[in-house]
Amino acid sequence: EDKVVQSPLSLVVHEGDTVTLNCSYEVTNFRSLLWYKQEKKAPTFLFMLTSSGIEKKSGRLSSILDKKELFSILNITATQTGDSAVYLCAVEADSGGSNYKLTFGKGTLLTVNP
Amino acid sequence: GAVVSQHPSRVICKSGTSVKIECRSLDFQATTMFWYRQFPKQSLMLMATSNEGSKATYEQGVEKDKFLINHASLTLSTLTVTSAHPEDSSFYICSASISYEQYFGPGTRLTVT
Repeated sequence: EDKVVQSPLSLVVHEGDTVTLNCSYEVTNFRSLLWYKQEKKAPTFLFMLTSSGIEKKSGRLSSILDKKELFSILNITATQTGDSAVYLCAVEADSGGSNYKLTFGKGTLLTVNP
Repeated sequence: GAVVSQHPSRVICKSGTSVKIECRSLDFQATTMFWYRQFPKQSLMLMATSNEGSKATYEQGVEKDKFLINHASLTLSTLTVTSAHPEDSSFYICSASISYEQYFGPGTRLTVT
């Protein structure tokens, strides 16, 4: 059974702090790892990672994948209160034929206090 | 960007009734759509994979007779929760895929009283 584990489950920081969120996985037929941000409604896409060691960056957010050690990190620098959300890690895997599916971790609840 | 809509966004129904949730890809055709359920403070759990023109593939533990999925066209999939019970109260989210990217709908909050 595919497994995605995120840590920590929750985190409280002050504005301006830097945070690192972790995601480890055990998946058969790995295709990619994705990070999402979820506020009140459905998740919004942040990054898709398929290759080891290549950092993806978007503003204050960055992420990297290690396919040998089977984990990824999501970094947020100079955090703002608007970064408060649940951050979800999901792994995409082939499930047979032309099908594939996402397995989500439980998420990390990030709270950024002013 | 690709847009996925869901309707309704929020529904309250009585125990024993059925509820239909629609998921539409607005500006693209999606051969595959996915249905997820999310309980409070928990992650998204995949319920089923819906392929246009064929039967949905359900995840282990998801009752196919209770959660009826119909993917009638390349832009529409429906999830019907039959004979709903309070334990079915949850946030239901669909996603539609282009190639290997998934685009999520805004979700439907179902409350069964």
